[in-house]
Formats: sequence, structure tokens, C-alpha cells
Amino acid sequence: GAVVSQHPSRVICKSGTSVKIECRSLDFQATTMFWYRQFPKQSLMLMATSNEGSKATYEQGVEKDKFLINHASLTLSTLTVTSAHPEDSSFYICSARDPAGSSYNEQFFGPGTRLTVL
Amino acid sequence: AQSVTQLGSHVSVSEGALVLLRCNYSSSVPPYLFWYVQYPNQGLQLLLKYTTGATLVKGINGFEAEFKKSETSFHLTKPSAHMSDAAEYFCAVSGGGQNFVFGPGTRLSVLP
Repeated sequence: GAVVSQHPSRVICKSGTSVKIECRSLDFQATTMFWYRQFPKQSLMLMATSNEGSKATYEQGVEKDKFLINHASLTLSTLTVTSAHPEDSSFYICSARDPAGSSYNEQFFGPGTRLTVL
Repeated sequence: AQSVTQLGSHVSVSEGALVLLRCNYSSSVPPYLFWYVQYPNQGLQLLLKYTTGATLVKGINGFEAEFKKSETSFHLTKPSAHMSDAAEYFCAVSGGGQNFVFGPGTRLSVLP
């Protein structure tokens, strides 16, 4: 149980285009999902917290107009990187809480999406 | 606020030797502690977690960790390293409904 998927696993795009990444909770309903970014040889940094039916909460320094987050259902959150540039190239990982699970303090992580902007 | 430190950004051990990866945390609430492993170009895989109860936690692939409140530590150990253990390891803390905070990671190399 508590499986999170991401799509696509890898995407290459041209500079200036927008890219959408999907995060799905497959066997539970996630009222809260999280988006992380990981640069090479670095740790995960929280970008934003996504709550179903409301606006996402962004961490300091994260441009909300550049990284659009939508959490329209209890099993799907999307991250759209708008007008992507090479510096946006990174590994993006989502996670989700299972509110019905035994531990509210645990997050279940997706497999990640590798974004490369040319 | 919560924080995590991992002593040693890179640890090398010989195959068959003891693996010890250090994690110290800071938390103002009872912590939930996690160890994850990440192989190149892959996501995170949960090795083990401490929530409440027994302080010695056993995980997958022969790893275990002990929660020591007095030392604010949650070090990861494995009695005998295998070549397949070479990867990046992250310690993380949560608790009190707060978000995850990850440590900087430790890269484990296993020498033949």
C-alpha cells in the first residue's frame, strides 16, 4: 500500500517551453502532497506543499508563478514548470501523506522526474 | 524547527566490513526519524523508520538503526557491507505534523 507514482519519469524540453509533471497516489487519498527538488549530489529541498482544493504553500525563494501547482483531486497533484530554462533542469520528486494511515508524520515518495531543459 | 546533520558526506568501507552512517537531529517535538537510500537516477527507497516504541529499528537489506534520545542520534548500521549497498543515504526527521527535513546525505562507497 501507499504507492505514489510520477509521470513522466524523464522529460527533455527546449528552453521557453512549459512542462507538466503529474504525481498520483495510487491506493490512497492524499489531502496533502509535497514537491521537492534535488540538484546533482545534493539533498532534497522542499519547494511547496500542495493541499487538495486550495492554493499551494510555497517555500521561501520558490517562484510560484514559475512553478505552478494544482491539486484538483485527492489522488493527483501536478507541477508545471513554466517557461523552463536550463537552470530549471533538476530531479523533481513528489510525496504524499496518507491521512488514513497509521502515521500522519510519514510521507510516501514518488520515483522522481528528471527534467532536462536544453 | 527541526534539522538533521549527517557526519561525513562520503564514507568508504570494504566489502564485508561494518557500515556506520551517522545522523543527528534537532527537534522540539517527539521526532519521527527515517533513513532512505537513493541509487543513481532513482527515487528514494525507505530503509527503516522510527516512530514510537522500540528504539532499535530493523529495516530492509540488513540495515538497522537505534534511536538515542539522549544523544539526539539515529545512526544507521549494517554488519557486513555488500557491493550493492553503494548509494546515497539520507536521514530525515518529521514530527508534530511538521514537514520532512532531510539531511545533506552520505555517499557510501563499497570497495572490493
